[in-house]
Amino acid sequence: GENVEQHPSTLSVQEGDSAVIKCTYSDSASNYFPWYKQELGKRPQLIIDIRSNVGEKKDQRIAVTLNKTAKHFSLHITETQPEDSAVYFCAASRGSGAGSYQLTFGKGTKLSVIP
Amino acid sequence: GAGVSQSPSNKVTEKGKDVELRCDPISGHTALYWYRQRLGQGLEFLIYFQGNSAPDKSGLPSDRFSAERTGESVSTLTIQRTQQEDSAVYLCASSLGGTGAREQYFGPGTRLTVT
Repeated sequence: GENVEQHPSTLSVQEGDSAVIKCTYSDSASNYFPWYKQELGKRPQLIIDIRSNVGEKKDQRIAVTLNKTAKHFSLHITETQPEDSAVYFCAASRGSGAGSYQLTFGKGTKLSVIP
Repeated sequence: GAGVSQSPSNKVTEKGKDVELRCDPISGHTALYWYRQRLGQGLEFLIYFQGNSAPDKSGLPSDRFSAERTGESVSTLTIQRTQQEDSAVYLCASSLGGTGAREQYFGPGTRLTVT
């Protein structure tokens, strides 16, 4: 089955700096990669996702890049703000066909933005 | 509209007792998922329901765990003879059905503590 590794497990940045979180996956058939943000005591919420037909996707201060050859994808947050502090999870799934509904999650990265 | 709801929000039970957790998905979402999140860990897939299809139970950790869903609405996750290692947050998510990966919308979770 799929295995998703996420690094780092914790990340502290100064407000205004950039943060990068990296994930690798094992199943070459995976082609859907969402990122979820979970604030303390709250539910995970999708912040951005990417499918394998593109290499990069941006949404304001958030971007995700995908390298299918190397089987890794990354989340980039620019101009970080204190409200970006949360746990971020990457995930992977096949995107279509058998088992496409099943997301395999990384273990999460706790991001702390220091004012 | 209303999001995914779960009840109870917190449950403390004694080892050996049975517990039942409830999930109300977003109306119109035919797909429903259960996950377990241990403290400081990622989301562990438990079970998936899609319409009237047979559920994917491949993530259930033992035969003490079971889940049911009534049509395309409420789902219950039952844990029999609870053990201390069952202590975790149990998250439910729902999504639109059909083929291919879909954004999953999470509920607030039920925090289960087994004493």
